[in-house]
Amino acid sequence: AQSVTQPDIHITVSEGASLELRCNYSYGATPYLFWYVQSPGQGLQLLLKYFSGDTLVQGIKGFEAEFKRSQSSFNLRKPSVHWSDAAEYFCAVGADDSNYQLIWGAGTKLIIKP
Amino acid sequence: GAGVSQSPSNKVTEKGKDVELRCDPISGHTALYWYRQSLGQGLEFLIYFQGNSAPDKSGLPSDRFSAERTGGSVSTLTIQRTQQEDSAVYLCASSLLIDISYEQYFGPGTRLTVT
Repeated sequence: AQSVTQPDIHITVSEGASLELRCNYSYGATPYLFWYVQSPGQGLQLLLKYFSGDTLVQGIKGFEAEFKRSQSSFNLRKPSVHWSDAAEYFCAVGADDSNYQLIWGAGTKLIIKP
Repeated sequence: GAGVSQSPSNKVTEKGKDVELRCDPISGHTALYWYRQSLGQGLEFLIYFQGNSAPDKSGLPSDRFSAERTGGSVSTLTIQRTQQEDSAVYLCASSLLIDISYEQYFGPGTRLTVT
């Protein structure tokens, strides 16, 4: 069965430091990959997505992610985090037998140290 | 414009009672999705609607769960005879069309606690 793994349940970084959140997936073909952010009391918001083409994708709020087929990874990065980035981040992959269903990782909670 | 709204935001109910959760999607969005988010876990897909039709109900956890959508707009998720394992955050999302290439816009969720 398809799966998405986010190895880090929590990550703590200092404000202004760089960030990398890891995501690994299992999939047979070229996947559709997504990163969403869930801020406290708010709905999930799409940060960025990869369907094809350039493997480095830019998203909103200064985030980017790189698709690495050889590593089955789609890690999310930001050069310098802000306190407002504190939230939970979810990686998701399109199900290979569906044109609408997403398979979700368990999420990584980002904590920002002042 | 208005986003996806859900009501109530919080619901505490006693085991065995029925509950109804409501979702108002973005106007004009033909696709609507229900997910369940349990603590420390990713989102679990429950059901989707294309218009008023729900072609795939296989994600519903049991026959105590049902959902409907009327007028191509509002949807309700009903849980009958609630159990403690039903406690979770129930999320609704909508998209313009039923395809993965269309962004899903999420509501803030309904936190259900079964005591």
